[in-house]
Amino acid sequence: AQSVTQLGSHVSVSEGALVLLRCNYSSSVPPYLFWYVQYPNQGLQLLLKYTTGATLVKGINGFEAEFKKSETSFHLTKPSAHMSDAAEYFCAVSATYGGATNKLIFGTGTLLAVQP
Amino acid sequence: ETGVTQSPTHLIKTRGQQVTLRCSSQSGHNTVSWYQQALGQGPQFIFQYYREEENGRGNFPPRFSGLQFPNYSSELNVNALELDDSALYLCASSLRGSVSYEQYFGPGTRLTVT
Repeated sequence: AQSVTQLGSHVSVSEGALVLLRCNYSSSVPPYLFWYVQYPNQGLQLLLKYTTGATLVKGINGFEAEFKKSETSFHLTKPSAHMSDAAEYFCAVSATYGGATNKLIFGTGTLLAVQP
Repeated sequence: ETGVTQSPTHLIKTRGQQVTLRCSSQSGHNTVSWYQQALGQGPQFIFQYYREEENGRGNFPPRFSGLQFPNYSSELNVNALELDDSALYLCASSLRGSVSYEQYFGPGTRLTVT
């Protein structure tokens, strides 16, 4: 069975500082991994995804993540935080179910605060 | 290209009542998944519909049911509402067989049960 653990329910950084949001996964099969962002009172927006191939993936808004199989990690980073990055971030793994269903299993989320 | 839409945006129901939530898929998508996001938690998979049939279900009781229509839109029905059903309900559409496995989410319906 697949699962996702996000370390740190709240992360606070200063504007311009490095953003690092941690995600570890458990999967018995090669995982497909995702990061989503959720702004207040909104749905989820896909930031980036890893399926196969290059382990460093780049997403929208300057975010990137690196798939490290040996560490079962998929941490999200951004070199310089912007005030508009303040939101909740969810890491997710795609689990096959009944042969074809690609349900997503989410972590509990990390709320990112950006201080001026 | 039209994104995923959901209606209504908010609603308030009383314990024991029934509710129907609606979702329109993104153009070109043939699969709809529903998720429940309780306050302060990550979304939890309820079920998925493909070709108008349920194609996978999470750990939710039978009073959670759904439909998918020929135009790929979908409904989530919840009977005998309980206080713990208060949550944001998210619909996501995707294209089965797509190599990207991406799911595109709607803005959600906020359900409050009193």
